[in-house]
This record gives sequence, structure tokens and C-alpha cells, in this order.
Amino acid sequence: DGGITQSPKYLFRKEGQNVTLSCEQNLNHDAMYWYRQDPGQGLRLIYYSQIVNDFQKGDIAEGYSVSREKKESFPLTVTSAQKNPTAFYLCASSNPGTGIDEQFFGPGTRLTVL
Amino acid sequence: GESVGLHLPTLSVQEGDNSIINCAYSNSASDYFIWYKQESGKGPQFIIDIRSNMDKRQGQRVTVLLNKTVKHLSLQIAATQPGDSAVYFCAESRTNAGKSTFGDGTTLTVKP
Repeated sequence: DGGITQSPKYLFRKEGQNVTLSCEQNLNHDAMYWYRQDPGQGLRLIYYSQIVNDFQKGDIAEGYSVSREKKESFPLTVTSAQKNPTAFYLCASSNPGTGIDEQFFGPGTRLTVL
Repeated sequence: GESVGLHLPTLSVQEGDNSIINCAYSNSASDYFIWYKQESGKGPQFIIDIRSNMDKRQGQRVTVLLNKTVKHLSLQIAATQPGDSAVYFCAESRTNAGKSTFGDGTTLTVKP
């Protein structure tokens, strides 16, 4: 099955620890994105990558880091510098070159920092 | 800055009625719009899209209307069903921008 996967579904960490969220896609999409979603709110863009080995900051990049060493993978690290990291994190991918910029989302990772 | 917002945070309808979910955007340069549906605990899913050279687009039980003059789009769901209960987001983007901006979402509740 083609799709986008995120793991784990639930993640608990102690305050002050860095944590890395996994995102993998086998859709052969060029672009990948990370969003943060807080209760009752929309999606806020953290980082995005339009091509391998390149990525840009989104609207709320502070306290986060990413890498895009492979086309199919776009891991997100939540660092200890992120002041309020508890949230639902969504990864997405798209293929803008097709002219249709629909984003395909993973199931999300709910991060709780204790 | 650009923003995409929704007029109402919640909408409750009776099963079988039609639903209308509204969205306002502020960036007149936006030329592509998408509606997504997000069920509880899941990632959003594409419903329908529309480009700025169109006023209306229809899918299966859904219609999106775009009014560029007032920077407004709406999602109409015909014969709403319990399975339509979810949060609906509009998103806007510009060609070659490489990213989309999402609104805050409207929670649709369908009463049996």
C-alpha cells in the first residue's frame, strides 16, 4: 500500500529531552511537511521540504529541527528549546509538479512532555 | 500577513440536511484552495480543490464555491450523513509557493 507513516502514535518524554518523530512516505513525492496541531486549532507549519537535501522554516520553526537526506524520509526533532512541545504532530507529503498540490497526511504523533 | 479563517468554529445539522461551511482568506494572490476533512485522532484527508480561475467545482455530494471578489469560499455537503461529522479545514496556497496555509477549522456535528 502506498502512503505516509508516522511513528510512534503516542510518545512521552521528560522535559528537557530532545525527541525525534519519524515520517516516511512511499508515494515518491518530492515535497514533505511538518505541522503542529493544538486542541481546537488549525495546522501550523513547522518546516517543509520541496526536494531532497533542502528544507525551509515554516511559521513556527523555533525549537524544532529537520533533515531531508532521503526522498522518502523527513524526521522532525523537537528540541529542549521548544517551550511548549506537547501537541499533535502531523507529517504530510505532496507532488507539486503534478499541478495538484493535495497534501497526503500521516496518522499523526501525539507528543506529551511530562 | 496572510491568514485563512473560518466564520464559525462549530456547525450542527440534522442528518439529511445540507451543510455549508465557510472560509475567508486574506491573500488576494492565493490561486489554489483545498478543503480537508479531519476525523478525530487522524490526519486530514483531501475532499475537493478549486483553482482561482473557477467559481464552482462539484464532487460527490460536495460542492466548493469560490468568490474572489470578497475572498471567500464555501464547502457545501448535500444530504449530510453521520459519517460527515469531523473537523473541516480550508487551505490556500499560491502557485510555486511550496506550502499551504490552513484555517482553524469548523467542527461539523451531524445529529441523527
